[in-house]
Amino acid sequence: GESVGLHLPTLSVQEGDNSIINCAYSNSASDYFIWYKQESGKGPQFIIDIRSNMDKRQGQRVTVLLNKTVKHLSLQIAATQPGDSAVYFCAENDNNNDMRFGAGTRLTVKP
Amino acid sequence: DAGVIQSPRHEVTEMGQEVTLRCKPISGHDYLFWYRQTMMRGLELLIYFNNNVPIDDSGMPEDRFSAKMPNASFSTLKIQPSEPRDSAVYFCASSVVRTLRGETQYFGPGTRLLVL
Repeated sequence: GESVGLHLPTLSVQEGDNSIINCAYSNSASDYFIWYKQESGKGPQFIIDIRSNMDKRQGQRVTVLLNKTVKHLSLQIAATQPGDSAVYFCAENDNNNDMRFGAGTRLTVKP
Repeated sequence: DAGVIQSPRHEVTEMGQEVTLRCKPISGHDYLFWYRQTMMRGLELLIYFNNNVPIDDSGMPEDRFSAKMPNASFSTLKIQPSEPRDSAVYFCASSVVRTLRGETQYFGPGTRLLVL
């Protein structure tokens, strides 16, 4: 979920399990959404995106679900691996090209 | 390509000092973005350039911050004078197209700034 304080929400999963990371966005006019992965000491890395005319998009081991009714976005990672350990955050982009980023969720994968 | 290059990777300075952060975008990318990341506010866009020209600097916090792009392969973000609340990780990103769409932006490794 989204952080509202100094500490990021954390999710700890066992290697091989599926992970679900959630994000609530704020602007009903947002029409494009992105999930980023940020490993320690590195810049954000694009994972997957989705436009508002879709409710699901799949990539390699990742799926993004969009629920516009409740302004909720989720990232599902299948068969989570230790290399998936990172901070994941969502971003929303409206048609004015203004992008807002969430603070993120820290995913830890236990071997 | 080595990707977006930023220097220094870490900077510790005292309040009141001038800080200059540097960025080399990916060759051929016409857009360059400066972001700031903090725990409290997440990632924020400060300014972006197109063909070395500043397009939108509405995210620059105040006059203490300035950014330049003298040529296609180099940009600086300067803070003068620096304050403790400027402590953050500053990212540079570049893109080949005019969009803030995620898959087209490539981020550098960031500069971690600590102002004492």
